[in-house]
Amino acid sequence: AQKITQTQPGMFVQEKEAVTLDCTYDTSDQSYGLFWYKQPSSGEMIFLIYQGSYDEQNATEGRYSLNFQKARKSANLVISASQLGDSAMYFCAMSTYNQGGKLIFGQGTELSVKP
Amino acid sequence: DAGITQSPRHKVTETGTPVTLRCHQTENHRYMYWYRQDPGHGLRLIHYSYGVKDTDKGEVSDGYSVSRSKTEDFLLTLESATSSQTSVYFCAIRASSTGGPNEKLFFGSGTQLSVL
Repeated sequence: AQKITQTQPGMFVQEKEAVTLDCTYDTSDQSYGLFWYKQPSSGEMIFLIYQGSYDEQNATEGRYSLNFQKARKSANLVISASQLGDSAMYFCAMSTYNQGGKLIFGQGTELSVKP
Repeated sequence: DAGITQSPRHKVTETGTPVTLRCHQTENHRYMYWYRQDPGHGLRLIHYSYGVKDTDKGEVSDGYSVSRSKTEDFLLTLESATSSQTSVYFCAIRASSTGGPNEKLFFGSGTQLSVL
């Protein structure tokens, strides 16, 4: 069975510091994708970053990077130089080839950035 | 903007009444999804569609049905709403026509449903 686990219900970070949000996954499929979404208090789901299982380089998108450790089945999101606007809920998600590309989500981590 | 509109945005209903939520897309994407979001559970897949009249169940499909008679509309129906179905419901689309694992989903703005 496919599963995504986010073990940090809530986190605090000081403005301008870096923060890592943890995500571990479980799948027996060899072909899969890992995603991070941000959900601000307004409620919309915003795509942040994607990592494919065959990608050798860690994905980066501006201040977001994905620390992909395949052997450990982890896909942590790193946010550098945190900003007040980064305060939000963050969801890790996975899609597998054998599941027809459906996304399954973790429980989420609520990040609060302190000024 | 992936051209996804959910309606209504908010709804309050009573236990035992039928409720239909609508997801409308403007770009003829093949894949559409309904998720529910609850605290501590993230988003969970209710049903999805891979074409007109082609639908399948997700992990939390009990108590829900869907229909897709046109490419642009995907309807989620609660035949007899219960308090446990109080949730935020999100519709999503996949921009690609393939079922591969490398395509992100685009989400609608969500529907807050309260069943009293």
